[in-house]
Amino acid sequence: QVQLQESGPGLVKPSQTLSLTCTVSGGSLSSGAYYWSWIRQHPGKGLEWIGYIYYSGSTFYNPSLKSRITISVHTSKNQFSLRLNSVTAADTAVYYCARVAGGSYLDYWGQGTLVTVSS
Amino acid sequence: QSVLTQPPSVSGAPGQRVTISCTGSSSNIGAGYDVHWYQQLPGTATKLLIHGNSNRPSGVPDRFSGSKSGTSASLAITGLQAEDEADYYCQSYDSSLSGWVFGGGTKLTVL
Repeated sequence: QVQLQESGPGLVKPSQTLSLTCTVSGGSLSSGAYYWSWIRQHPGKGLEWIGYIYYSGSTFYNPSLKSRITISVHTSKNQFSLRLNSVTAADTAVYYCARVAGGSYLDYWGQGTLVTVSS
Repeated sequence: QSVLTQPPSVSGAPGQRVTISCTGSSSNIGAGYDVHWYQQLPGTATKLLIHGNSNRPSGVPDRFSGSKSGTSASLAITGLQAEDEADYYCQSYDSSLSGWVFGGGTKLTVL
């Protein structure tokens, strides 16, 4: 059973960089069969796709966030990460990592981690 | 305002059937892109219910079914159970936005 777990600071100051890591267990991130994605959910709101990465490092980002995000893969650690720079209060959300199957759907999700942007 | 429109809430009594709609446009569902459905329960990981419009992953009860027609899709739940009380989201791809989009979510209440 594949499991994903997000980790990182729960509080980030405005204008700084949000950094999160997703650790994958029960499967190899570099198997090549899947993409790996980040999604976020603002408090009390719906889901927003952030972007995804392939084990080779190829990425595909949400155009509305593209200028501020970087998703990286660390195959030796079976992890992938998210960096979101120049954060504001509008970036306060629960951030999820997930596995992408079939090129288009998210078949395994992490539990999510709340990141609050506040001074 | 989400690109895919879902009713904010639906409800039903145990044993009944409910449907949740997901309405899109010609740049997403109407363009032929697949629709996927997720269940979100508080305190648990988000769960994939339906992929590729109507396909159930192993382990998902056959009480859950999906369909798609034109610019809309639907999730149907039959034999409603208390444990089905959750938030449900649809997801697809939008060619105008060049990315994946979600519905705003529907809260299902089991009366």
